[in-house]
Amino acid sequence: QQKVQQSPESLTVSEGAMASLNCTFSDGTSNNFRWYRQHSAKGLEVLVSIFSDGEKEEGRFTAHLNRANLHVSLHIREPQPSDSAVYLCAVTGGSNAKLTFGKGTKLSVKS
Amino acid sequence: DTTVKQNPRYKLARVGKPVNLICSQTMNHDTMYWYQKKPNQAPKLLLFYYDKILNREADTFEKFQSSRPNNSFCSLYIGSAGLEYSAMYLCASRLTGWGQDTQYFGPGTRLLVL
Repeated sequence: QQKVQQSPESLTVSEGAMASLNCTFSDGTSNNFRWYRQHSAKGLEVLVSIFSDGEKEEGRFTAHLNRANLHVSLHIREPQPSDSAVYLCAVTGGSNAKLTFGKGTKLSVKS
Repeated sequence: DTTVKQNPRYKLARVGKPVNLICSQTMNHDTMYWYQKKPNQAPKLLLFYYDKILNREADTFEKFQSSRPNNSFCSLYIGSAGLEYSAMYLCASRLTGWGQDTQYFGPGTRLLVL
């Protein structure tokens, strides 16, 4: 069964400084990997999806995937206070694209 | 438009009473999912419909029911709410197919059981 761990549990950065979030998973044969964001009391917003080793950029969000190390990261360039939210790593696998989530990293961006 | 809608956004229920949550999407997605999310925990898949076929997770099999009267709507039903059901319930939908496995989430329903 896929296990997904995220670190750190919480992170505070200053506006404009790079924010880096980490995610490790147990099954490297999973199909793909996504980062979601959840603002307080709101649903999940997909930020970036990555399928192959390497880097995938979507605006200010960049994901790095290394299947051999069972690791995927998210880097947020020039974070703003509006980026303060819980960031969830999700790993997709199986015929029904079942998502396995991590517990999330709570990001706070201070102005 | 990738909008998934959920109603109600907030629900207060009494212990032992039934709860019915509604989800809708107009993207003609064939698969709809229900997740439960509690604070500081990962979202947990409860069940999903692929077309008219319901799949329930083994560890929550008896706790939740669902119906999908048509492609656009999917409900989550709790027959007798307990305190442990207090959580955010997230609905998602997806169109199956090669490269089409992104799940789009609704805003969630926050359920509080007292």
